[in-house]
Amino acid sequence: QVQLQESGPGLVRPSQTLSLACTVSGDSISSDDYYWSWVRQPPGKGLEWIGYIYYTGSISYNPSLRSRVTMSLDTSKNQFSLRLTSVTAADTAIYYCARLVPAVISPVWFDPWGQGTLVTVSS
Amino acid sequence: NFMLTQPHSVSESPGKTVTISCTRISGSIASNYVQWYQQRPGSSPTTVIYEDNQRPSGVPNRFSGSIDSSSNSASLTISGLKTEDEADYYCQSYDSGNQVFGGGTKLTVL
Repeated sequence: QVQLQESGPGLVRPSQTLSLACTVSGDSISSDDYYWSWVRQPPGKGLEWIGYIYYTGSISYNPSLRSRVTMSLDTSKNQFSLRLTSVTAADTAIYYCARLVPAVISPVWFDPWGQGTLVTVSS
Repeated sequence: NFMLTQPHSVSESPGKTVTISCTRISGSIASNYVQWYQQRPGSSPTTVIYEDNQRPSGVPNRFSGSIDSSSNSASLTISGLKTEDEADYYCQSYDSGNQVFGGGTKLTVL
């Protein structure tokens, strides 16, 4: 049974860089079966897709965040990571990692999700 | 890009049937699969419907999904409502590599 676990600082200063990792167990991020994604949820608000990465290194980012986001893979640790630069209070959210399941060639649905980690941007 | 719009909230009594809509703004709802996620307070989202109308194993058949091209919308229907169904529900679809979520609907079972 695949499980995903987010890790990283819970507090980031404004204008700094948010860095999170997602450790995957029960599946290999080097497999061509799935994509690996980040989704965030500001407190009391809805879900916002951040981006996804494929084992080949192919990446897609949310256009609204593209200029500040970088995702990467670490196959030795079976982890994938998120970096978000120049953060503000608006980036305060629960950050989830999730596996993206494809249909034919397109990534389609998120399953499963990690438990999420709250990142607060504050001085 | 496109948007998915959902009602902010719906409510219904236990044992009844409720339908939550998800309207695609720009582009055809039938062009790409629609998924539905349930999120209980304090928990991560879980999939209740994928690829328009498919249920993951373990999801009861009280949950069903459909697509209506005439209204350019997708619907999640929950029959035989139980108090445990009270949660936020999000629709999701994609296009050209971008993933989009609806704003979410709070279902109250009272």
